[in-house]
Amino acid sequence: DTAVSQTPKYLVTQMGNDKSIKCEQNLGHDTMYWYKQDSKKFLKIMFSYNNKELIINETVPNRFSPKSPDKAHLNLHINSLELGDSAVYFCASSRRTGKNTEAFFGQGTRLTVV
Amino acid sequence: AQKVTQAQTEISVVEKEDVTLDCVYETRDTTYYLFWYKQPPSGELVFLIRRNSFDEQNEISGRYSWNFQKSTSSFNFTITASQVVDSAVYFCALSEAYTSGTYKYIFGTGTRLKVLA
Repeated sequence: DTAVSQTPKYLVTQMGNDKSIKCEQNLGHDTMYWYKQDSKKFLKIMFSYNNKELIINETVPNRFSPKSPDKAHLNLHINSLELGDSAVYFCASSRRTGKNTEAFFGQGTRLTVV
Repeated sequence: AQKVTQAQTEISVVEKEDVTLDCVYETRDTTYYLFWYKQPPSGELVFLIRRNSFDEQNEISGRYSWNFQKSTSSFNFTITASQVVDSAVYFCALSEAYTSGTYKYIFGTGTRLKVLA
């Protein structure tokens, strides 16, 4: 069984479109994250939710809006897509927010904006 | 600010060779946690290990071993008798406080390991 699953795995779309990426975890974790990995493989946090509450909101354009309907799901909606949004987006979860807990990542969603 | 440095961008070895991936970190915290992740060509990120700052014992798991040295702020990863399946990008990470009680992971830039048959 997949612990952290994201859909879709690949997403190709035109500039200006709106798209969503869905994430679900079946680990019973309280905390979920969105990370962005750029073309140079650099991983940077975007958002984190703990029990459906937004706890981390890094400097991300407000075209990106996360939504957590329950603690097992964290979706990412992106409005007015731009070429620079092309990247791999990873969802992750951890037992709780804490320095001593590891995160488990989904398989990533490769977003290509053309 | 906290920082993780993986100076080796890419390493190539021949199968069965041992290889060490370096990780150097900077932190103001007295208690902190370090992690290693593997990203194989298929793209997923796989958790390998978590290590806390007050335990400097080396850890071994099969062909993998980790050497944590607080004095040099390093948390190096060694693969013994490398195999082609070890080919991946390896990331070192550090947990950093975002706000009181909230933490995020700071990743290094990764080291691409190529194991040649």
